[in-house]
Amino acid sequence: EVQLVESGGGLVKPGRSLRLSCTASGFTFGDYGVSWFRQAPGKGLEWVGFIRSKAYGGTTEYAASVKGRFSISRDDSKSIAYLQMNSLNTEDTAVYYCSRWYYDFWSGYPDYWGQGALVTVSS
Amino acid sequence: QSVLTQSPSVSGAPGQRVTISCTGSSSNIGAGYDVHWYQQLPGTAPQLLIYGNNNRPSGVPDRFSGSKSGTSASLAISGLQAEDEADYYCQSYDSSLSGHVFGTGTKVTVL
Repeated sequence: EVQLVESGGGLVKPGRSLRLSCTASGFTFGDYGVSWFRQAPGKGLEWVGFIRSKAYGGTTEYAASVKGRFSISRDDSKSIAYLQMNSLNTEDTAVYYCSRWYYDFWSGYPDYWGQGALVTVSS
Repeated sequence: QSVLTQSPSVSGAPGQRVTISCTGSSSNIGAGYDVHWYQQLPGTAPQLLIYGNNNRPSGVPDRFSGSKSGTSASLAISGLQAEDEADYYCQSYDSSLSGHVFGTGTKVTVL
């Protein structure tokens, strides 16, 4: 059974950093891309970023709203993807979801999602 | 801000058919990028409902169907059931933004 579990969420002050982890199981993690999404309280879904599998260079893509502040990495030996979030502001408050990505970046889609991790940015 | 526009809400009685529209532009749906749909039940993570415009993952009832034409896409739910009450989102790639975009979301209410 494919499973993705986010961890590392919590309360953080504006300007500080936080790292989320996404632990995968039930499939060969290294064969897939991983994407992160977020959903602010009572709002819709927003794509945050994406990391390709090592077979496709392991390169990353980011939404304009987080580019330069957030970074995604992966450790295939542990089946974990990370979302490093720096210079957080109150607009980053949201539930963050990781997902397994099926197919290529442009035409692909998240076929399995984690349960989400709440990040609250507040002083 | 969402690049894909959906009607905020639709409702129907059990057994009825409802449709949800997703309107984009020439840089996303109109450029030929695939549209995917997600169902988000209250308090839960989104789940893939339709991929590649009109394909259902295994386990998704055939009451759900998708279509795409021009700069728009649609999700149809036939034989509406109480458990279909949820938020629904469309998603595609946008070449102008160089990233993926979601629709504004549609809340489906079963009367």
